[in-house]
Amino acid sequence: SQQGEEDPQALSIQEGENATMNCSYKTSINNLQWYRQNSGRGLVHLILIRSNEREKHSGRLRVTLDTSKKSSSLLITASRAADTASYFCASESGAGSYQLTFGKGTKLSVIP
Amino acid sequence: ETGVTQSPTHLIKTRGQQVTLRCSSQSGHNTVSWYQQALGQGPQFIFQYYREEENGRGNFPPRFSGLQFPNYSSELNVNALELDDSALYLCASSQGLAGLSYEQYFGPGTRLTVT
Repeated sequence: SQQGEEDPQALSIQEGENATMNCSYKTSINNLQWYRQNSGRGLVHLILIRSNEREKHSGRLRVTLDTSKKSSSLLITASRAADTASYFCASESGAGSYQLTFGKGTKLSVIP
Repeated sequence: ETGVTQSPTHLIKTRGQQVTLRCSSQSGHNTVSWYQQALGQGPQFIFQYYREEENGRGNFPPRFSGLQFPNYSSELNVNALELDDSALYLCASSQGLAGLSYEQYFGPGTRLTVT
């Protein structure tokens, strides 16, 4: 079963604009990770935020985590056409097992 | 490029057949996980191996089985294939250390079609 839900399911923006995607999850987590997937191929790891962190940055990416609301957001600033992809959040929970529970993803289209 | 490789890239099988998918982990990683991704869905966890032992299993029937070898490469075996097994199968490797988790590095996947 899928723990997380991304919102929105699809997002279309102009190049240069910012894109914000949200993710909710159901149980306590050790960390939450964001991945990008192009055209149904392998997933590319973007960023990992641990349960005791509230915000993390990596280049044009900014991730926030609110454990009280069981939610996270991914912000991509100054988007580019190459950012067009599906974005997934994945939560890791439970002791001793590093399995990830993914949401259904947000399909981002960046129009040149 | 993550350093994780999978073979084959594509595979077509008939219902009832058996299939073996292979994964080579990134150097230095001792944990491998397998995921099934149906079209339009997020990946679903099948199982995980840590130092050659199963370390967690998702909601998949026993006809899904796996192995991890001493060099940390891995196989996913599926018996008695069903049409619903058609999906992209992804493996991911990571460093597994007690009490601390790391990002998982995914391979490009194997696209399995069952007819």
